[in-house]
Amino acid sequence: ETGVTQSPTHLIKTRGQQVTLRCSSQSGHNTVSWYQQALGQGPQFIFQYYREEENGRGNFPPRFSGLQFPNYSSELNVNALELDDSALYLCASSYPGEGTYGYTFGSGTRLTVV
Amino acid sequence: AQSVTQLGSHVSVSEGALVLLRCNYSSSVPPYLFWYVQYPNQGLQLLLKYTTGATLVKGINGFEAEFKKSETSFHLTKPSAHMSDAAEYFCAVPDRGSTLGRLYFGRGTQLTVWP
Repeated sequence: ETGVTQSPTHLIKTRGQQVTLRCSSQSGHNTVSWYQQALGQGPQFIFQYYREEENGRGNFPPRFSGLQFPNYSSELNVNALELDDSALYLCASSYPGEGTYGYTFGSGTRLTVV
Repeated sequence: AQSVTQLGSHVSVSEGALVLLRCNYSSSVPPYLFWYVQYPNQGLQLLLKYTTGATLVKGINGFEAEFKKSETSFHLTKPSAHMSDAAEYFCAVPDRGSTLGRLYFGRGTQLTVWP
């Protein structure tokens, strides 16, 4: 399987709700990072997972959490949604040792919080 | 932390004209540098990257960028714009000396190409 697939492509949630976004990485990509891209901004690093463990986090609160599974899929969970969480969420994965140099990005999930 | 600054949030050119998108980085050591393109409703696609060696880097779709240490710049150029180049462009720099897969992105430059 090639490429990185994210689902859903769009969703709308109400403030205070919880949401789960999914990413299916290319086979062999055991490093996955998540980014938040607010409207008119560049992507901001949320966190990275390597071999199913979180191994780095950006300036995001604990209500942003993730999971990575052995089948190269991963999830981003956001609890207690706030209006400012409205953004495009991108996942990026790479082969071991490549890090940012070998990133493949998914097309993103557009989250709207109302 | 690393950072990049993209001068000009919007750039408009006519088809066939030169494209110049500006990026300046803030780093005490020569960084690695990337340019990504984002088409509407899509993710990020790598255009080109500078790691070491030749300072003029050629990428996809006819784009190239030159790393200038003295100016701390990594501007993106294309000699002749095409309608299909209309997109948002991001300059980015990774963490150095870290295994963390983190990129620091600029705020982006929206390129409009007029017929």
